[in-house]
Amino acid sequence: AQTVTQSQPEMSVQEAETVTLSCTYDTSESNYYLFWYKQPPSRQMILVIRQEAYKQQNATENRFSVNFQKAAKSFSLKISDSQLGDTAMYFCAFGTPRQGAQKLVFGQGTRLTINP
Amino acid sequence: EAGVAQSPRYKIIEKRQSVAFWCNPISGHATLYWYQQILGQGPKLLIQFQNNGVVDDSQLPKDRFSAERLKGVDSTLKIQPAKLEDSAVYLCASSLRRETSTDTQYFGPGTRLTVL
Repeated sequence: AQTVTQSQPEMSVQEAETVTLSCTYDTSESNYYLFWYKQPPSRQMILVIRQEAYKQQNATENRFSVNFQKAAKSFSLKISDSQLGDTAMYFCAFGTPRQGAQKLVFGQGTRLTINP
Repeated sequence: EAGVAQSPRYKIIEKRQSVAFWCNPISGHATLYWYQQILGQGPKLLIQFQNNGVVDDSQLPKDRFSAERLKGVDSTLKIQPAKLEDSAVYLCASSLRRETSTDTQYFGPGTRLTVL
């Protein structure tokens, strides 16, 4: 069974700083996908970034980038030039492109607060 | 493009009562998911539909929870009778269905259930 672990329950940084959220996972699968989702206080989950395990290049979306270390089973999220609107719960998730059930397994989340 | 719609947004009931949640996925999305998110935890998949068929309900407490997706579009999730531990946010998500990829899941705003 796949497991996802986020070891930082809470983090807090000043606006404009860079912050890195950690995520590790455990799987025996060779082909899989990793996701970071953001859940603002309004509670609607929004996709931040996704990474295909077969791609060596780390995914980037504007101020958001990942550091994907496949051998170490690590998938961290870096937020550059943090903004007040980045305040949210961040969830790391794992999925496999298996026919039929394609459920996501989520970590426990990291509560990120951006301070003015 | 309209997002995933859910109703009601909030529900308060007493234990042993019944409750139902409704979800309307993004148009054209064949796959629909129901997640349970207990406070302070990541979402946990309850059931996944592909069109109007169930592909994974391994974590659905079938003695009290039921779900249906008539005509492969809208879905309802029912709890009967409710227990105190069912207090949570119930998230609905939808995705396209592609055989060779793990699709991005798009989440609705959720229904916050409080069982007294």
